[in-house]
This record gives sequence, C-alpha cells and structure tokens, in this order.
Amino acid sequence: KAGVTQTPRYLIKTRGQQVTLSCSPISGHRSVSWYQQTPGQGLQFLFEYFSETQRNKGNFPGRFSGRQFSNSRSEMNVSTLELGDSALYLCASSLRELGEQYFGPGTRLTVT
Amino acid sequence: GQQLNQSPQSMFIQEGEDVSMNCTSSSIFNTWLWYKQDPGEGPVLLIALYKAGELTSNGRLTAQFGITRKDSFLNISASIPSDVGIYFCAGQRRFGNQFYFGTGTSLTVIP
Repeated sequence: KAGVTQTPRYLIKTRGQQVTLSCSPISGHRSVSWYQQTPGQGLQFLFEYFSETQRNKGNFPGRFSGRQFSNSRSEMNVSTLELGDSALYLCASSLRELGEQYFGPGTRLTVT
Repeated sequence: GQQLNQSPQSMFIQEGEDVSMNCTSSSIFNTWLWYKQDPGEGPVLLIALYKAGELTSNGRLTAQFGITRKDSFLNISASIPSDVGIYFCAGQRRFGNQFYFGTGTSLTVIP
C-alpha cells in the first residue's frame, strides 16, 4: 500500500507571498492532519480534516488554512508568508479521526 | 502548544549497547505513540500504546505505557548503526483529540 505523499518536497517563497501544499493520504484513510516542524518549536499541530470537515485546530493564526476533497486529498494554504513560516510541513493520515498518525515525507518551505 | 518532556535530549552510544529514553507529561494521556525520524524525512511510526501498563515490542524495540498514564518509555536493545535518528513520543489525551509531541531524543550509534 502506498504511503502518504506530499508535493512539492521543497519550496522557496518570498515574504508576503502565499503558498499551497498538497497531501495524498494512505488509501482508505479519511483523516488528514497537518503539522509544522521547526528546530525551536518542534512538531506543532495545525489542523485536522475528516470527511471534508475541519474537526480539530491548533493555535496558529488564520493565515494558515486548509481543505479536504472528497477523495480525502488535502491542501494547506499559507497566506502573507513571514520569515518565521520557514519550516518542514508534515501531513499525516489515519483511518479514524486523529488515530495513529502516518506521516508523509514533508514539504520543506523556505521563506526569504 | 503543549510539548512533552523527553529525555535524554541526545545520546551517543556504542554499537551493541541498549538504549532507554522516556517521555513525561503533566497531563494524563490515553494513547502514546513512538516515532523515528531520519534527516529530511517524515516520522515513521514504531509503536502504539493504548492501555496503562501495556508493554509492546517491535523487533528490538520495546515501549511501555506508564502506570500513571503521564509517561512512556522506549527501549532499544543491541543498537545498530541504522538506529541513528531522532526519536519522538506523541501523546493523545482522548481519542479524536490532537497529538502532542515530545522534544525528541537524538541517537548516535558509534560503530
């Protein structure tokens, strides 16, 4: 069974721009969660989608948003990028709502 | 957000030695997960624990769900070079709630 896939793997953006990251979960998994990983803050939960609805949300500003499609694929959008948004963005999928998290390889976002 | 306290922060060990690390929280959790992350990759799930006192093995890895439900432990026996990486714990207070992650233990195995 194929694992979680994320595209793109690497991205360089300029301050003020916006970015969209994509995640395809493991086949059959309906829950997709997004995390931000930085050396200073570690792994921080952004939000989780289940059956196209946002079910849980972490403590991130409204510039961070997401959506989930009917095939469970998910996208995350960050608007008005700041230097501090530079991080590894990880997507995880699970069978049930926020069950065991299976992670993708991540998207490395660099904001200059 | 809340982070779990993981210790030690880093370990340098000789190949063949056993390794122990732990994760503690001020809150009670009903699920503990252990992950390994290699540089530039996403975390890989090693072991999942769902009951206080539970002891679960995955090859040379053994993890325990602490009796107080506020801690968890991971042991690696007879370490090998490919064990190198960062190990994370993750805890969940209730099913369907978000996971909180530990600060990570960086493991270096000296051949």
